Amino acid sequence: AQSVTQLDSHVSVSEGTPVLLRCNYSSSYSPSLFWYVQHPNKGLQLLLKYTSAATLVKGINGFEAEFKKSETSFHLTKPSAHMSDAAEYFCVVGVGGDSWGKLQFGAGTQVVVTP
Amino acid sequence: DTAVSQTPKYLVTQMGNDKSIKCEQNLGHDTMYWYKQDSKKFLKIMFSYNNKELIINETVPNRFSPKSPDKAHLNLHINSLELGDSAVYFCASSSAYEQYFGPGTRLTVT
Repeated sequence: AQSVTQLDSHVSVSEGTPVLLRCNYSSSYSPSLFWYVQHPNKGLQLLLKYTSAATLVKGINGFEAEFKKSETSFHLTKPSAHMSDAAEYFCVVGVGGDSWGKLQFGAGTQVVVTP
Repeated sequence: DTAVSQTPKYLVTQMGNDKSIKCEQNLGHDTMYWYKQDSKKFLKIMFSYNNKELIINETVPNRFSPKSPDKAHLNLHINSLELGDSAVYFCASSSAYEQYFGPGTRLTVT
């Protein structure tokens, strides 16, 4: 079975400092992995996706994530946080290896950005 | 141009009532989904339709019935609403590698 574990339920960073959101996955085969962001009272927006191409994936708004098979991790980073990055972030694994199948969501990490 | 739209955005109703939420996508995708997000922000898939055919049906009470009149629409009908049905319901549609989510419908059952 496929699953993801987000290691931090809450992350607080200062504006201009790096952001690190940690995610470990469990999959019996090569997974498709995604990060989605949800701003308050909004829908979900895809930040980036890994689908067995390059292990370092660049997404929107300066975010990137690195797929590390040996560590079963897919951590999300951004070099410099902006106030607009305050949101809920979800690490997601595609069940069946394709995003048109079922998506298994992590529990989410709430990011707070302080001035 | 809204890619995935849902109506209504907010729905407040009493226990025991029947209600529907509508979803439409203009992306030309074949596959659509319903997700439920609980009060702790946990998201779980409920149903998926591919070209009007049900392909994923998670363990959801049979009071919930999805209907897809065509591949651009996926509606969710809920009978005999219960307090525990209060949540945000998201519709999504997908191409080969991405799922696009609607803005959500916040359902409150009193």
